[in-house]
Amino acid sequence: KNEVEQSPQNLTAQEGEFITINCSYSVGISALHWLQQHPGGGIVSLFMLSSGKKKHGRLIATINIQEKHSSLHITASHPRDSAVYICAVKSWNNDMRFGAGTRLTVKP
Amino acid sequence: NAGVMQNPRHLVRRRGQEARLRCSPMKGHSHVYWYRQLPEEGLKFMVYLQKENIIDESGMPKERFSAEFPKEGPSILRIQQVVRGDSAAYFCASSPKLTWGGVGTEAFFGQGTRLTVV
Repeated sequence: KNEVEQSPQNLTAQEGEFITINCSYSVGISALHWLQQHPGGGIVSLFMLSSGKKKHGRLIATINIQEKHSSLHITASHPRDSAVYICAVKSWNNDMRFGAGTRLTVKP
Repeated sequence: NAGVMQNPRHLVRRRGQEARLRCSPMKGHSHVYWYRQLPEEGLKFMVYLQKENIIDESGMPKERFSAEFPKEGPSILRIQQVVRGDSAAYFCASSPKLTWGGVGTEAFFGQGTRLTVV
């Protein structure tokens, strides 16, 4: 079992829909990142969280440390949001562990 | 301020050849991390380097793989005698601080090098 599990693996949505991607982890962490990987492109850091909630434009990230769970929400989704979203955690022994990613496709 | 630059973007090698992947960190960053992403899998840590030092290579395969980050020039990930299983995307990230990922740190990723071994 991976230490960082994401769900769903694949997600298809219609433009305008509200989207949620989930991340659960089994190790103690000091921080959690949400990363975005575009097709054929590099990886961009969207958020870094250690508690609570952060918002940037149409993206919202939340984390519940007690439940070891984080969610990434996209409001009013758009085709340009189509990408792979990766959850990564910084464990207390300084390792970074990555989820396998959630492939999001937003159709017009 | 240019981002993390990796080259080449795509690299095709025949089995048994050598692959050299380059990573130029962002200006002012002295910490470089290499990750490998196999098809349909998540990123896996390979090695963490500072200038002229390998800090953590616990994710590197024991044979054929090596990495360096010289005082001048880019970081190099070198794969000798490539095999089909080395085909993957290799990402480099740089950070201004020690061991990115903790509170107050951030890393910046390159576009990746897609290695195909034929």
